[in-house]
Amino acid sequence: GAVVSQHPSWVICKSGTSVKIECRSLDFQATTMFWYRQFPKQSLMLMATSNEGSKATYEQGVEKDKFLINHASLTLSTLTVTSAHPEDSSFYICSVQNRGGNQPQHFGDGTRLSIL
Amino acid sequence: AQKVTQAQTEISVVEKEDVTLDCVYETRDTTYYLFWYKQPPSGELVFLIRRNSFDEQNEISGRYSWNFQKSTSSFNFTITASQVVDSAVYFCALSWGGGFKTIFGAGTRLFVKA
Repeated sequence: GAVVSQHPSWVICKSGTSVKIECRSLDFQATTMFWYRQFPKQSLMLMATSNEGSKATYEQGVEKDKFLINHASLTLSTLTVTSAHPEDSSFYICSVQNRGGNQPQHFGDGTRLSIL
Repeated sequence: AQKVTQAQTEISVVEKEDVTLDCVYETRDTTYYLFWYKQPPSGELVFLIRRNSFDEQNEISGRYSWNFQKSTSSFNFTITASQVVDSAVYFCALSWGGGFKTIFGAGTRLFVKA
């Protein structure tokens, strides 16, 4: 069964809207979750590492005020794209990784975000 | 710096052909992990295999097999008797630093034609 639940799977909204994407760990408590962005026909680009109970760690070049991450519980992390613009349109994927030594990441089904 | 190279951007084969997807990695860490993931057209990433740097034993799982060679820093993936359902993008990934740093290769898009 699914290890990670990501919602919504598809969002279309107007420019200027803020969009929240949820990532839930179903099988285990995840102190760390990851958020990726994937452009068409490209690889996954890590945006940030979401840490439960503390601030997220953003990768270089990712605007933290633009992409707000909240990891309020051990099973839920949210990514909010604030005041979204067409250039924010992309495929966003979250993943969770269990502790205990280099476990594989389990990915959500992704959220396809289209900003008009 | 760590790096994962998947030189094959796209591969097209006919059903029942064998196909090998190449992955070359770079790292100075002595402890690291290598992964393969499959991303079908629907978009979700599916974990296929994990290998740690101390285990060079090759692995076979059904029609899938993996060849890990530290001497050439390669972790290649072979699909035997390919099927149309194998059509997807395949990503090789490298994890280090306790597992919380992972980078992905650019991916190889595999088309299997009936």
